[in-house]
Amino acid sequence: ETGVTQTPRHLVMGMTNKKSLKCEQHLGHNAMYWYKQSAKKPLELMFVYSLEERVENNSVPSRFSPECPNSSHLFLHLHTLQPEDSALYLCASSQDLGTANYGYTFGSGTRLTVV
Amino acid sequence: GESVGLHLPTLSVQEGDNSIINCAYSNSASDYFIWYKQESGKGPQFIIDIRSNMDKRQGQRVTVLLNKTVKHLSLQIAATQPGDSAVYFCAENGPSNTGKLIFGQGTTLQVKP
Repeated sequence: ETGVTQTPRHLVMGMTNKKSLKCEQHLGHNAMYWYKQSAKKPLELMFVYSLEERVENNSVPSRFSPECPNSSHLFLHLHTLQPEDSALYLCASSQDLGTANYGYTFGSGTRLTVV
Repeated sequence: GESVGLHLPTLSVQEGDNSIINCAYSNSASDYFIWYKQESGKGPQFIIDIRSNMDKRQGQRVTVLLNKTVKHLSLQIAATQPGDSAVYFCAENGPSNTGKLIFGQGTTLQVKP
């Protein structure tokens, strides 16, 4: 384990379902991120949170809704997804936004399949 | 926008040989670079980093080379082992205090026994 834990590891959901992805870190980090990883594409930044405030929404469709209730937890709420949303969703953290330049700690990801 | 790219999607090497994975970056203002390793079913793991004021940095069995003239980054793995099989990404720092990293597409390293 890297210190960033994501659940569930795998998720299959229908297009009309509502589900949530969970990320938890106990590294004392103040910044957390959601990334989407699709086959043969670079990691795509979705959301950035710093001290529980969203500081970046990288043109992500509203069917993805993040939530950061405290500095240790980050959620990604999903509803009415499309098959093209199937991907590996990675959570990451860094001490703060400034030190993110020196790298993140990633979770193992949630493999999402939309059917 | 700026992007970091990798030259080859797949690299196949014999166990024991040296591996070289390449990356081209486009933002000449980037001053920090990272290599990540992602094994199957896992998230990316930090391997080694290098600042723009350096040309070379060595770790345990890994070396990163930076050529700022041609904006090229490489990762060298000595005596490649089966456990090195993974996808390797390079990343460069994004704008200051945004938390952003810019990632390349990844090279899959396959190690043949």
